[in-house]
Amino acid sequence: AQTVTQSQPEMSVQEAETVTLSCTYDTSESNYYLFWYKQPPSRQMILVIRQEAYKQQNATENRFSVNFQKAAKSFSLKISDSQLGDTAMYFCAFDGGTSYGKLTFGQGTILTVHP
Amino acid sequence: DGGITQSPKYLFRKEGQNVTLSCEQNLNHDAMYWYRQDPGQGLRLIYYSQIVNDFQKGDIAEGYSVSREKKESFPLTVTSAQKNPTAFYLCASSPGGQGGINEQFFGPGTRLTVL
Repeated sequence: AQTVTQSQPEMSVQEAETVTLSCTYDTSESNYYLFWYKQPPSRQMILVIRQEAYKQQNATENRFSVNFQKAAKSFSLKISDSQLGDTAMYFCAFDGGTSYGKLTFGQGTILTVHP
Repeated sequence: DGGITQSPKYLFRKEGQNVTLSCEQNLNHDAMYWYRQDPGQGLRLIYYSQIVNDFQKGDIAEGYSVSREKKESFPLTVTSAQKNPTAFYLCASSPGGQGGINEQFFGPGTRLTVL
């Protein structure tokens, strides 16, 4: 079974600075997908960024980028130019390519952006 | 607008009662999922359905039941056998199918409280 670990229960950052959230996972599969979801205080889950394991290039979406290290089974999220609206809980999620879209989630990291 | 709706937003149940949480999607997705979220924790999969009239147990199915009679609807019943049902419940859907990335889209959630 796959496991996803987020070792940082809480993080904080000043507005306009950069922060990195960590995620490691364990799997025996070679083809899979990784996601970062954001859950703001409204509790609506929003997809932030996704990465296909077969792609060597790290995914980027505006201020959000990932550092995907397949051999180390690491998938960290970097948020640049942090904004107050980035305050949320962030979840790392794993989808094995043969699991019909079932996601395994990490425990989450609460990120607070301070003005 | 395409999306996922869940109702009600808040639900109160007396011990010993069954309650049904509604989930509807108009994204024409084949796959639908139910997750449970407890305070400070990640999401855990209760049930999922890849296609109409078919569904499978997730990691914590005991005390829950589902049906999938229509493509757009995937209701979840929390039965009296569920020992600790107070939680936040999230419904999601994805295009479905094996292989390829299956991004999940989430509804706004239902907060269930047992009195």
